[in-house]
Amino acid sequence: GQNIDQPTEMTATEGAIVQINCTYQTSGFNGLFWYQQHAGEAPTFLSYNVLDGLEEKGRFSSFLSRSKGYSYLLLKELQMKDSASYLCAVRDTAVNSNSGYALNFGKGTSLLVTP
Amino acid sequence: GAGVSQSPSNKVTEKGKDVELRCDPISGHTALYWYRQSLGQGLEFLIYFQGNSAPDKSGLPSDRFSAERTGGSVSTLTIQRTQQEDSAVYLCASSPQLPNNEQFFGPGTRLTVL
Repeated sequence: GQNIDQPTEMTATEGAIVQINCTYQTSGFNGLFWYQQHAGEAPTFLSYNVLDGLEEKGRFSSFLSRSKGYSYLLLKELQMKDSASYLCAVRDTAVNSNSGYALNFGKGTSLLVTP
Repeated sequence: GAGVSQSPSNKVTEKGKDVELRCDPISGHTALYWYRQSLGQGLEFLIYFQGNSAPDKSGLPSDRFSAERTGGSVSTLTIQRTQQEDSAVYLCASSPQLPNNEQFFGPGTRLTVL
């Protein structure tokens, strides 16, 4: 089974830094993903981690510790447009399995950025 | 180029009716996924197609759900005898054939069963 946990809601101030945590317990592991989803829109890809460590991409960074089953998404210099839901997802299947590259998602963290 | 498109964007139906949801993946993407996003829940994986083939249909919630893909492109998800618990946003995603780390999502179909 899959168990992916992340906070339900977070609030942060424009210009600040926010860290969204995700813990997972899955039967296997083949990569962790973060997606951003604005209300009523499609999820869009933010980051991918398969090895331990930090991946930086502009204002967004993502960290992974496989031994701890833990990841975080770090958003710097927050902007109002960053208000959205952030989805943590784990891929636990290998290529060519019956589920392909299907992702197992957490319930998402709704981030509100205030002035 | 065009992204993943889905139709209709919204569908309201009465309990017991059948509905058909359509997904047009990005041209050339051989892998296609259907997910369901219910209120307060995470995205739930339903089914995966590689080309026109779906190796495993066990993720579909019940036998009222079926899916097909033709020509390695368009996919339809059909729900027969809809129930209120089927109300959700149904999302489709596609990715290229080669191992790829990104799934491109469509905007979804919001289904409401009255």
